[in-house]
Amino acid sequence: GAVVSQHPSRVICKSGTSVKIECRSLDFQATTMFWYRQFPKQSLMLMATSNEGSKATYEQGVEKDKFLINHASLTLSTLTVTSAHPEDSSFYICSRRPLAGGTDTQYFGPGTRLTVL
Amino acid sequence: GESVGLHLPTLSVQEGDNSIINCAYSNSASDYFIWYKQESGKGPQFIIDIRSNMDKRQGQRVTVLLNKTVKHLSLQIAATQPGDSAVYFCAESGNQGGKLIFGQGTELSVKP
Repeated sequence: GAVVSQHPSRVICKSGTSVKIECRSLDFQATTMFWYRQFPKQSLMLMATSNEGSKATYEQGVEKDKFLINHASLTLSTLTVTSAHPEDSSFYICSRRPLAGGTDTQYFGPGTRLTVL
Repeated sequence: GESVGLHLPTLSVQEGDNSIINCAYSNSASDYFIWYKQESGKGPQFIIDIRSNMDKRQGQRVTVLLNKTVKHLSLQIAATQPGDSAVYFCAESGNQGGKLIFGQGTELSVKP
């Protein structure tokens, strides 16, 4: 069964509005979650590493003030796309690693399709 | 920069045939490799993984081969079925805090 859920699965918003996407780890506490963005016919690009109880670590070129990440609990990380524009339209996917080490396997959520009009 | 790449962006096979999807990686420090399957509109699904201390690992209908000498990874799918149609990504991980670097992906199309 699914180990990571995302909500919403699809969202359409007007340009200039903010959108919040939730990522939940269903079967495991996760101190670390990852947020990816995927444009059509392209690979997954890591945006940031979400760390429970501390600030997220952003990849080069990702605006931290535009993509706000909050990891307030061991099972929930949120990504807020602020002042969204049409170029932010994409497929956003989160993943998690187990609380304990031993493997780098990441299990992914079902993704959230964001369309900005 | 460092990247994981694929030789073939698309692959079309007949149902029942075996499929081979290839991947080249450039980071010699990577020690863990994963294959994911992504169906349209869904998140990536874990298929199989392999650590750098191995050169072959088998699962159900799938086999991953790792050639560290030439930095090459492959996924073999036996008796390919229509349900195997999807985009397949390889990913590598090293001493980077668990970050995965994804290859460009290969779209597998299975003809009935």
